Amino acid sequence: KQEVTQIPAALSVPEGENLVLNCSFTDSAIYNLQWFRQDPGKGLTSLLLIQSSQREQTSGRLNASLDKSSGRSTLYIAASQPGDSATYLCAALPMTTDSWGKFQFGAGTQVVVTP
Amino acid sequence: NAGVTQTPKFRILKIGQSMTLQCTQDMNHNYMYWYRQDPGMGLKLIYYSVGAGITDKGEVPNGYNVSRSTTEDFPLRLELAAPSQTSVYFCASSWDGELFFGEGSRLTVL
Repeated sequence: KQEVTQIPAALSVPEGENLVLNCSFTDSAIYNLQWFRQDPGKGLTSLLLIQSSQREQTSGRLNASLDKSSGRSTLYIAASQPGDSATYLCAALPMTTDSWGKFQFGAGTQVVVTP
Repeated sequence: NAGVTQTPKFRILKIGQSMTLQCTQDMNHNYMYWYRQDPGMGLKLIYYSVGAGITDKGEVPNGYNVSRSTTEDFPLRLELAAPSQTSVYFCASSWDGELFFGEGSRLTVL
C-alpha cells in the first residue's frame, strides 16, 4: 500500500527565507501528485498538480518538483511571507488497479513564517 | 461555477442522533469522496464513489453510510452519532487525478 510521509511535521522560518517542504511516497507508480494549503479551521486549497510525466510545476513563488525514482516531491516557496503560514499537505494518486482513485495523503507540514 | 458544495458547515449532535451531510458538485465528475480530519491529523477516507450507483468503503467506514443516486450528489449518513465521530468532514470530487474539495463540515457530537 502506498504510504505518504511529510517531514518535518512543523517548520518555522523568518520572513524572506525560502521554504522547502518535503513529501515522500513509498511506491513510485503514481498517476499524479497534488499539493494543498490548509489554513486553520478552513478547507484545502489546491496549489499545484504534477502529473507523472512531469518533473515540476510552477505558479508564482511556488515550485513543485517530482522525482518518482526516489519517491519524493518537494514544494519550494520563494521569499516567504507571514501570509504563507499554513499547513501544507501532499496527496499521491497510486496507479495500481486495486488502489485506483484512492488518494494517499501525508499528515502535512505546519509552517509558521515570522515577521 | 460552484465546484463542490457541502452543507451544513457546522452542526452539533447529541449522542445517538442521526444526520446527513450533503455534498453536491457541478463539474460532472465521476469520482467523489468523503474524508474526515481529526485535529492535528491527516485525512482519512470514509467512503468513495466511482460513479452513480457505485460506492465503496475507505479506511474508516464504520458508523457511516453513503449513497450515490446521481452524478452530482454524494450524501454521507451518520447513524447513531458517537463522540468519536466529532471531526471535520470534507467532500471531494476528482477528474483525471486532480482533487477538488468542498469547504468542510464541522461536526460535534456531545
